[in-house]
Amino acid sequence: ETGVTQTPRHLVMGMTNKKSLKCEQHLGHNAMYWYKQSAKKPLELMFVYNFKEQTENNSVPSRFSPECPNSSHLFLHLHTLQPEDSALYLCASSPATLTLYEKLFFGSGTQLSVL
Amino acid sequence: KNEVEQSPQNLTAQEGEFITINCSYSVGISALHWLQQHPGGGIVSLFMLSSGKKKHGRLIATINIQEKHSSLHITASHPRDSAVYICAVNRSYNTDKLIFGTGTRLQVFP
Repeated sequence: ETGVTQTPRHLVMGMTNKKSLKCEQHLGHNAMYWYKQSAKKPLELMFVYNFKEQTENNSVPSRFSPECPNSSHLFLHLHTLQPEDSALYLCASSPATLTLYEKLFFGSGTQLSVL
Repeated sequence: KNEVEQSPQNLTAQEGEFITINCSYSVGISALHWLQQHPGGGIVSLFMLSSGKKKHGRLIATINIQEKHSSLHITASHPRDSAVYICAVNRSYNTDKLIFGTGTRLQVFP
């Protein structure tokens, strides 16, 4: 148990649906991240939030919309997704944005299938 | 070509064997991470190192900055070590952005 909780664990949605992924951490961390893991590809950073402010958007399509209402919660709102967006979406947190001395704490991920 | 390369991609071992997973990178880094991902997706950070060697239980991680290479060793391997092991690096600049390897899938049989 890493202290980072993601819901739901699995999600199947159609291309016209709107859904949201939720991430919660009670580790007192100030930085939160969304990563995408597609089959046989390295993890890709999507978004970084530091003290609730977005500090990184890694050229992510606008059909993915993050929200960070406070330092403990992070959402990823999904709409009009494509089948190629099917992947494991991982949330992570760290005490502060990564420096030499910080580790990442990951959630278990949401396995998303877009039909 | 990925900036972080791992070898082998897949590895099988008998329980008790000594295992080595390698990671090479082509960029200047400030730190290197070894991560473990079990079936089901969750990822655990095993080590973060910028020089030398670190040990935790049966796991040992080493890094050679001059050769841009790191190894993860598992001594007396056990079936519960079966997982994907991922190497990632912080660039010397833009340290917020980890660059990940594609992982090494390890299966340890009894």
